[in-house]
Amino acid sequence: AQTVTQSQPEMSVQEAETVTLSCTYDTSESDYYLFWYKQPPSRQMILVIRQEAYKQQNATENRFSVNFQKAAKSFSLKISDSQLGDAAMYFCAYRFQGAQKLVFGQGTRLTINP
Amino acid sequence: NAGVTQTPKFQVLKTGQSMTLQCAQDMNHEYMSWYRQDPGMGLRLIHYSVGAGITDQGEVPNGYNVSRSTTEDFPLRLLSAAPSQTSVYFCASSQRWSSYNEQFFGPGTRLTVL
Repeated sequence: AQTVTQSQPEMSVQEAETVTLSCTYDTSESDYYLFWYKQPPSRQMILVIRQEAYKQQNATENRFSVNFQKAAKSFSLKISDSQLGDAAMYFCAYRFQGAQKLVFGQGTRLTINP
Repeated sequence: NAGVTQTPKFQVLKTGQSMTLQCAQDMNHEYMSWYRQDPGMGLRLIHYSVGAGITDQGEVPNGYNVSRSTTEDFPLRLLSAAPSQTSVYFCASSQRWSSYNEQFFGPGTRLTVL
């Protein structure tokens, strides 16, 4: 069974600094997709960034980038120039090729200090 | 497009009561699913559907029923509510045949069972 682990229940960072959220996963599949979702206090789940496992190049979306290490089964999220609006719960999620089911990690609560 | 809508946003039930959480999407997505979110556990899949008339169990299906009579609607039924079902419930939808496609989430329903 696939599992996703986020070992940091809480993180905090000063505004304008960089923070990295960790995620590891366990799977025997070779083709899969990885996602980071943001959940602000409004509860709405927002897709931040996604990565296809067959791509070696790390995905980037503006201030958000990932460090995808397939052999190590690691998928960390880096947020550069942190802003107050980045404060939220962040969930790492996995989905294997051909399936729609998302497997989520436990989440990391990110606090931005002004 | 309204996207994925859920009603109600909040609900309080007594143990043993029944209710239906409503979910609708207007994006003509084949795939729809229900997740529950509990503190420290991320989101877990309850039931899912790959099209009208087709449903299947997810990771935590006990105590919940679903049906899919139309593409747009995917209600979740609690037949006899228990305190262990106190949670936040999310409905999600996506196109069926692409694992890379984003899953769109509804705003969630916070359910409390006394």
